[in-house]
Amino acid sequence: GQQVMQIPQYQHVQEGEDFTTYCNSSTTLSNIQWYKQRPGGHPVFLIQLVKSGEVKKQKRLTFQFGEAKKNSSLHITATQTTDVGTYFCAGLLGTYKYIFGTGTRLKVLA
Amino acid sequence: DAGVTQSPTHLIKTRGQQVTLRCSPKSGHDTVSWYQQALGQGPQFIFQYYEEEERQRGNFPDRFSGHQFPNYSSELNVNALLLGDSALYLCASSLTGTSNQPQHFGDGTRLSIL
Repeated sequence: GQQVMQIPQYQHVQEGEDFTTYCNSSTTLSNIQWYKQRPGGHPVFLIQLVKSGEVKKQKRLTFQFGEAKKNSSLHITATQTTDVGTYFCAGLLGTYKYIFGTGTRLKVLA
Repeated sequence: DAGVTQSPTHLIKTRGQQVTLRCSPKSGHDTVSWYQQALGQGPQFIFQYYEEEERQRGNFPDRFSGHQFPNYSSELNVNALLLGDSALYLCASSLTGTSNQPQHFGDGTRLSIL
Protein backbone atom coordinates (compact mmCIF):
# COMPACT_ATOMS: atom_id res chain seq x y z
CA GLY A 1 0.00 0.00 0.00
CA GLN A 2 0.89 3.65 -0.02
CA GLN A 3 3.58 4.42 2.51
CA VAL A 4 5.49 7.43 3.69
CA MET A 5 8.64 6.58 5.60
CA GLN A 6 10.76 8.93 7.66
CA ILE A 7 14.33 8.54 8.82
CA PRO A 8 15.72 8.58 11.33
CA GLN A 9 13.12 7.33 13.78
CA TYR A 10 14.91 9.03 16.68
CA GLN A 11 17.61 11.69 16.89
CA HIS A 12 19.38 13.03 19.95
CA VAL A 13 21.47 16.16 19.40
CA GLN A 14 23.39 18.58 21.57
CA GLU A 15 21.88 22.04 21.67
CA GLY A 16 23.42 24.06 18.85
CA GLU A 17 23.90 21.09 16.52
CA ASP A 18 21.99 20.74 13.27
CA PHE A 19 19.21 18.21 12.63
CA THR A 20 17.71 16.76 9.46
CA THR A 21 14.77 14.41 8.92
CA TYR A 22 14.01 12.78 5.59
CA CYS A 23 10.64 11.75 4.21
CA ASN A 24 10.22 9.24 1.38
CA SER A 25 7.04 8.21 -0.40
CA SER A 26 6.46 5.13 -2.51
CA THR A 27 4.24 7.21 -4.83
CA THR A 28 4.22 10.72 -6.25
CA LEU A 29 2.65 13.27 -3.95
CA SER A 30 0.40 16.22 -4.87
CA ASN A 31 1.93 18.26 -2.07
CA ILE A 32 3.60 17.73 1.29
CA GLN A 33 2.96 19.29 4.67
CA TRP A 34 5.16 19.24 7.75
CA TYR A 35 3.89 19.12 11.31
CA LYS A 36 5.45 19.24 14.77
CA GLN A 37 3.93 17.36 17.69
CA ARG A 38 5.16 18.04 21.19
CA PRO A 39 4.90 15.21 23.76
CA GLY A 40 1.27 14.93 24.85
CA GLY A 41 0.19 17.47 22.26
CA HIS A 42 -1.38 17.52 18.83
CA PRO A 43 0.26 18.04 15.44
CA VAL A 44 0.87 21.70 14.62
CA PHE A 45 1.20 22.78 11.00
CA LEU A 46 4.61 24.12 10.02
CA ILE A 47 4.61 24.49 6.25
CA GLN A 48 3.34 23.22 2.91
CA LEU A 49 5.35 22.53 -0.24
CA VAL A 50 3.64 22.14 -3.58
CA LYS A 51 6.09 22.57 -6.45
CA SER A 52 8.75 20.13 -7.58
CA GLY A 53 12.13 21.16 -6.16
CA GLU A 54 10.58 23.80 -3.90
CA VAL A 55 12.63 25.11 -0.98
CA LYS A 56 11.15 27.19 1.84
CA LYS A 57 12.75 28.67 4.93
CA GLN A 58 11.31 29.61 8.29
CA LYS A 59 14.00 31.16 10.46
CA ARG A 60 16.22 28.17 11.40
CA LEU A 61 14.06 25.64 9.53
CA THR A 62 14.61 24.75 5.86
CA PHE A 63 12.13 22.57 4.00
CA GLN A 64 12.71 20.95 0.63
CA PHE A 65 10.48 19.03 -1.81
CA GLY A 66 12.20 16.63 -4.19
CA GLU A 67 12.22 17.01 -7.96
CA ALA A 68 10.14 13.84 -8.40
CA LYS A 69 7.73 14.91 -5.62
CA LYS A 70 8.39 11.65 -3.78
CA ASN A 71 10.68 12.91 -1.05
CA SER A 72 11.14 15.85 1.25
CA SER A 73 13.43 16.99 4.03
CA LEU A 74 13.37 19.28 7.04
CA HIS A 75 16.64 20.75 8.28
CA ILE A 76 16.99 22.65 11.54
CA THR A 77 20.09 24.77 12.02
CA ALA A 78 21.50 25.25 15.53
CA THR A 79 18.84 23.35 17.43
CA GLN A 80 17.35 24.74 20.61
CA THR A 81 15.57 22.96 23.47
CA THR A 82 12.30 24.39 22.16
CA ASP A 83 12.73 22.26 19.01
CA VAL A 84 12.02 19.07 20.99
CA GLY A 85 9.14 17.03 19.61
CA THR A 86 8.20 14.64 16.82
CA TYR A 87 8.30 15.94 13.27
CA PHE A 88 5.90 14.43 10.75
CA CYS A 89 5.64 14.86 7.04
CA ALA A 90 2.21 14.35 5.50
CA GLY A 91 1.91 13.70 1.78
CA LEU A 92 -1.24 14.41 -0.18
CA LEU A 93 -2.24 11.42 -2.28
CA GLY A 94 -4.72 12.44 -4.91
CA THR A 95 -7.08 15.22 -3.87
CA TYR A 96 -8.07 14.85 -0.23
CA LYS A 97 -6.15 12.08 1.55
CA TYR A 98 -3.06 12.88 3.58
CA ILE A 99 -0.68 10.06 4.48
CA PHE A 100 1.45 10.87 7.51
CA GLY A 101 5.00 9.67 7.78
CA THR A 102 6.29 7.54 10.60
CA GLY A 103 7.77 10.60 12.32
CA THR A 104 11.18 11.54 13.68
CA ARG A 105 11.44 12.14 17.41
CA LEU A 106 13.97 14.85 18.22
CA LYS A 107 15.56 15.27 21.63
CA VAL A 108 17.83 18.22 22.28
CA LEU A 109 20.35 17.99 25.11
CA ALA A 110 21.18 21.27 26.80
CA ASP B 1 -11.01 32.73 17.97
CA ALA B 2 -11.67 29.16 19.11
CA GLY B 3 -9.52 26.48 17.61
CA VAL B 4 -10.58 22.90 16.99
CA THR B 5 -12.31 21.42 20.02
CA GLN B 6 -12.87 17.74 20.67
CA SER B 7 -14.86 15.88 23.30
CA PRO B 8 -14.48 13.93 25.41
CA THR B 9 -10.76 14.18 26.17
CA HIS B 10 -10.55 10.65 27.54
CA LEU B 11 -12.82 7.65 27.26
CA ILE B 12 -12.67 4.07 28.51
CA LYS B 13 -14.79 1.39 26.84
CA THR B 14 -14.92 -2.38 26.74
CA ARG B 15 -14.74 -4.66 23.73
CA GLY B 16 -17.92 -4.80 21.69
CA GLN B 17 -19.22 -1.43 22.82
CA GLN B 18 -19.88 1.54 20.62
CA VAL B 19 -18.43 5.06 20.95
CA THR B 20 -19.15 8.52 19.55
CA LEU B 21 -16.49 11.21 19.45
CA ARG B 22 -17.22 14.85 18.69
CA CYS B 23 -15.39 17.66 16.95
CA SER B 24 -16.05 21.35 16.42
CA PRO B 25 -13.88 22.85 13.69
CA LYS B 26 -11.96 26.09 13.88
CA SER B 27 -14.11 29.11 13.19
CA GLY B 28 -14.46 29.62 9.44
CA HIS B 29 -13.46 26.07 8.54
CA ASP B 30 -15.89 23.74 6.82
CA THR B 31 -13.84 20.60 6.16
CA VAL B 32 -13.20 18.02 8.86
CA SER B 33 -10.85 15.06 8.73
CA TRP B 34 -10.49 12.33 11.33
CA TYR B 35 -7.26 10.53 12.15
CA GLN B 36 -6.31 7.62 14.39
CA GLN B 37 -2.91 7.87 16.09
CA ALA B 38 -1.58 4.79 17.86
CA LEU B 39 1.14 5.29 20.44
CA GLY B 40 4.45 6.13 18.79
CA GLN B 41 2.94 6.21 15.31
CA GLY B 42 1.91 8.86 12.84
CA PRO B 43 -1.75 9.80 12.43
CA GLN B 44 -3.66 7.55 10.04
CA PHE B 45 -6.39 9.07 7.86
CA ILE B 46 -9.86 7.67 8.62
CA PHE B 47 -12.07 9.91 6.47
CA GLN B 48 -12.86 13.49 5.50
CA TYR B 49 -16.19 15.31 5.54
CA TYR B 50 -17.18 18.29 3.46
CA GLU B 51 -20.67 19.67 2.86
CA GLU B 52 -22.06 16.94 5.14
CA GLU B 53 -20.74 14.20 2.88
CA GLU B 54 -17.87 11.74 3.30
CA ARG B 55 -15.67 12.58 0.34
CA GLN B 56 -12.60 10.43 1.01
CA ARG B 57 -11.99 7.38 3.15
CA GLY B 58 -8.84 5.68 4.38
CA ASN B 59 -8.27 1.97 4.98
CA PHE B 60 -10.64 1.58 7.90
CA PRO B 61 -13.48 -0.94 8.21
CA ASP B 62 -17.15 -0.03 8.06
CA ARG B 63 -17.25 -0.11 11.87
CA PHE B 64 -15.90 3.42 11.57
CA SER B 65 -18.52 5.87 10.41
CA GLY B 66 -19.04 9.58 10.65
CA HIS B 67 -21.31 12.48 10.21
CA GLN B 68 -21.03 16.20 9.56
CA PHE B 69 -23.72 18.61 10.64
CA PRO B 70 -24.88 21.83 8.95
CA ASN B 71 -22.77 23.86 11.42
CA TYR B 72 -19.70 21.90 10.17
CA SER B 73 -19.19 20.02 13.44
CA SER B 74 -18.59 16.33 13.08
CA GLU B 75 -18.90 13.01 14.86
CA LEU B 76 -16.89 9.83 14.59
CA ASN B 77 -18.68 6.61 15.51
CA VAL B 78 -16.97 3.31 16.09
CA ASN B 79 -19.02 0.14 16.55
CA ALA B 80 -18.04 -3.26 17.95
CA LEU B 81 -14.90 -1.90 19.58
CA LEU B 82 -11.75 -4.00 19.47
CA LEU B 83 -8.69 -3.82 21.68
CA GLY B 84 -6.77 -2.53 18.66
CA ASP B 85 -9.01 0.53 18.48
CA SER B 86 -7.23 1.96 21.52
CA ALA B 87 -5.59 5.16 20.25
CA LEU B 88 -5.67 8.93 20.17
CA TYR B 89 -8.38 10.11 17.77
CA LEU B 90 -7.60 13.45 16.20
CA CYS B 91 -9.90 15.78 14.37
CA ALA B 92 -8.44 18.28 11.89
CA SER B 93 -10.27 21.12 10.21
CA SER B 94 -9.36 23.15 7.16
CA LEU B 95 -10.77 25.73 4.80
CA THR B 96 -13.08 25.15 1.90
CA GLY B 97 -12.38 23.25 -1.21
CA THR B 98 -9.05 21.78 -2.12
CA SER B 99 -6.67 20.13 0.27
CA ASN B 100 -3.93 22.69 -0.36
CA GLN B 101 -4.74 24.13 3.04
CA PRO B 102 -3.13 23.73 6.46
CA GLN B 103 -4.89 21.32 8.76
CA HIS B 104 -5.62 22.53 12.29
CA PHE B 105 -5.77 19.72 14.82
CA GLY B 106 -7.67 19.43 18.06
CA ASP B 107 -6.17 17.98 21.22
CA GLY B 108 -7.76 14.63 20.47
CA THR B 109 -9.77 12.02 22.35
CA ARG B 110 -7.74 9.31 24.08
CA LEU B 111 -9.78 6.09 23.71
CA SER B 112 -8.85 3.06 25.80
CA ILE B 113 -10.49 -0.31 25.19
CA LEU B 114 -10.44 -2.85 28.04
